[in-house]
Amino acid sequence: KAGVTQTPRYLIKTRGQQVTLSCSPISGHRSVSWYQQTPGQGLQFLFEYFSETQRNKGNFPGRFSGRQFSNSRSEMNVSTLELGDSALYLCASSPRGGDKTGELFFGEGSRLTVL
Amino acid sequence: GQQLNQSPQSMFIQEGEDVSMNCTSSSIFNTWLWYKQDPGEGPVLLIALYKAGELTSNGRLTAQFGITRKDSFLNISASIPSDVGIYFCAGLNYGGSQGNLIFGKGTKLSVKP
Repeated sequence: KAGVTQTPRYLIKTRGQQVTLSCSPISGHRSVSWYQQTPGQGLQFLFEYFSETQRNKGNFPGRFSGRQFSNSRSEMNVSTLELGDSALYLCASSPRGGDKTGELFFGEGSRLTVL
Repeated sequence: GQQLNQSPQSMFIQEGEDVSMNCTSSSIFNTWLWYKQDPGEGPVLLIALYKAGELTSNGRLTAQFGITRKDSFLNISASIPSDVGIYFCAGLNYGGSQGNLIFGKGTKLSVKP
């Protein structure tokens, strides 16, 4: 069974640009969550999608947005990039929509560097 | 907001030694989880705990859900080089969607052969 797939794995952008990251969850998983990981702040929750609807959102500015498609694939977008957006962005899927167990399956992440 | 205090921040031990790390919070959680992140990878779930006082093992790993619901610990016995990585605790609130899952800042474990 294929795991969570994130693309691209690495990317470099400059301040002011925008970026789109993609996540394909494990087949059959309907819930997709996004996290930002930095050395100083650890894992910070961005948002969660379930059946194409945003179910929860973390404390990030509106420059961070996401969506989920009917096949459960998800994308997140960051507009007007800032240096502080440099981070590892992790996508995680969970087995059953509404499972709410905290049991997440993470992808390998997309490492974004903003210059 | 809610925070998890995970300690120690880092550990450097000899192969074969036992390891202990813990996580505390001022808030109650109804679920505690422990994840491990290898270099260049995403976190992987090690153990999930759903009842206060619960003690669960997964191979050389043992974790407990504190009876106050405000803490949890993870023990690793007889450490080996592949135990290297960052260990995260996570707590899930009542009424929890995944958005209410709070992560500690991690314990970085280094093992000397």
